[in-house]
Amino acid sequence: AQSVTQLGSHVSVSEGALVLLRCNYSSSVPPYLFWYVQYPNQGLQLLLKYTTGATLVKGINGFEAEFKKSETSFHLTKPSAHMSDAAEYFCAVRMDSSYKLIFGSGTRLLVRP
Amino acid sequence: DADVTQTPRNRITKTGKRIMLECSQTKGHDRMYWYRQDPGLGLRLIYYSFDVKDINKGEISDGYSVSRQAQAKFSLSLESAIPNQTALYFCATSTGLAGAQQFFGPGTRLTVL
Repeated sequence: AQSVTQLGSHVSVSEGALVLLRCNYSSSVPPYLFWYVQYPNQGLQLLLKYTTGATLVKGINGFEAEFKKSETSFHLTKPSAHMSDAAEYFCAVRMDSSYKLIFGSGTRLLVRP
Repeated sequence: DADVTQTPRNRITKTGKRIMLECSQTKGHDRMYWYRQDPGLGLRLIYYSFDVKDINKGEISDGYSVSRQAQAKFSLSLESAIPNQTALYFCATSTGLAGAQQFFGPGTRLTVL
């Protein structure tokens, strides 16, 4: 069965510091990969996704993620954190022939002034 | 105007009551989904529908039912609410294209006393 693991339920960084949120998945075939962000009292918003092609994917708000097949990872990064980045981030996986979007448990990003 | 709307946004009810959560979309998507979000568990799929006549159970459908009244409307019912159904509920929509993202509503916070 497919699964998604997000290491660290909470990550705290200083404003201006690098953001690194980790996501690993288990899958026997290359999946489609997504990162969503959830701001307080809001629904989920797509940050970026990987389907095919270039493994480094750029998203909104300066975020990017790299698909590494050998490591079954899709870590999310941003060079310089901003206070407005404070939110919960979810990694999700969808298999090629499946409807199903499997979510990780989420990582709450805290940004310190 | 929001593409995916949910009503109500907040609801407090008592054990044993029947509750209906409603979802409407203006995106023209065929596929609609209901998820629940619990702290530390990410989002879990309750039901999904690929079109008006195609409704399927997700991973946690017990205690829930759904109705797809039209392409644009997908309702979730709790026939007899219980306290462990207290959660944040999200509706989502998507096309059927490979790699398509899901678009989420703002969520309904349900509390069952």
